[in-house]
Amino acid sequence: DTEVTQTPKHLVMGMTNKKSLKCEQHMGHRAMYWYKQKAKKPPELMFVYSYEKLSINESVPSRFSPECPNSSLLNLHLHALQPEDSALYLCASSLIAGTGASANEKLFFGSGTQLSVL
Amino acid sequence: DQQVKQNSPSLSVQEGRISILNCDYTNSMFDYFLWYKKYPAEGPTFLISISSIKDKNEDGRFTVFLNKSAKHLSLHIVPSQPGDSAVYFCAARSSWGAGNNRKLIWGLGTSLAVNP
Repeated sequence: DTEVTQTPKHLVMGMTNKKSLKCEQHMGHRAMYWYKQKAKKPPELMFVYSYEKLSINESVPSRFSPECPNSSLLNLHLHALQPEDSALYLCASSLIAGTGASANEKLFFGSGTQLSVL
Repeated sequence: DQQVKQNSPSLSVQEGRISILNCDYTNSMFDYFLWYKKYPAEGPTFLISISSIKDKNEDGRFTVFLNKSAKHLSLHIVPSQPGDSAVYFCAARSSWGAGNNRKLIWGLGTSLAVNP
């Protein structure tokens, strides 16, 4: 299994809603990531979990709350989002993170959740 | 300050010909470089990578060349196929430092169109 699975594929939510994005991988990867991507732009790193601990938070607003329940699962809880938060949210995983062993830090991306905030 | 630059936003190539996508970087501490391919509404897919100890890496139709003195790398696709039409991102990382210093730094991407 070489896949990173993200659900849902599409999500439309109002600014007062609470929703969650889910990500799952069964490759034994110990690093998991949330990225945000707008059209025609590169992926923008939001969070990195390494061995189920949050290791990087790229100054993301608190209306985005990540959670890593175990080594295979990664969630992103959304609350009180703004229309400008509409984007493709990508989950990725890698064997390890941040040790400098670059080949093992190759990222595997899921297909993303296309989020629209109304 | 864009540390990884892809100066051509788009490129159009005839099927069967060579596609050359270029990437320049400014940080001399970068020592690992990757190319990702992205179709619309999908996540990026890893294509090929190169370590700074090499100057060339080949995988089938895809070859990446690294010129460290010029801080330049290029991705060659030959022969190009219509299915190669996608956005190609160059990314780089440094093995030095800790935490954010090892973050993957992305270019803005080049949109490749391969015409039948």
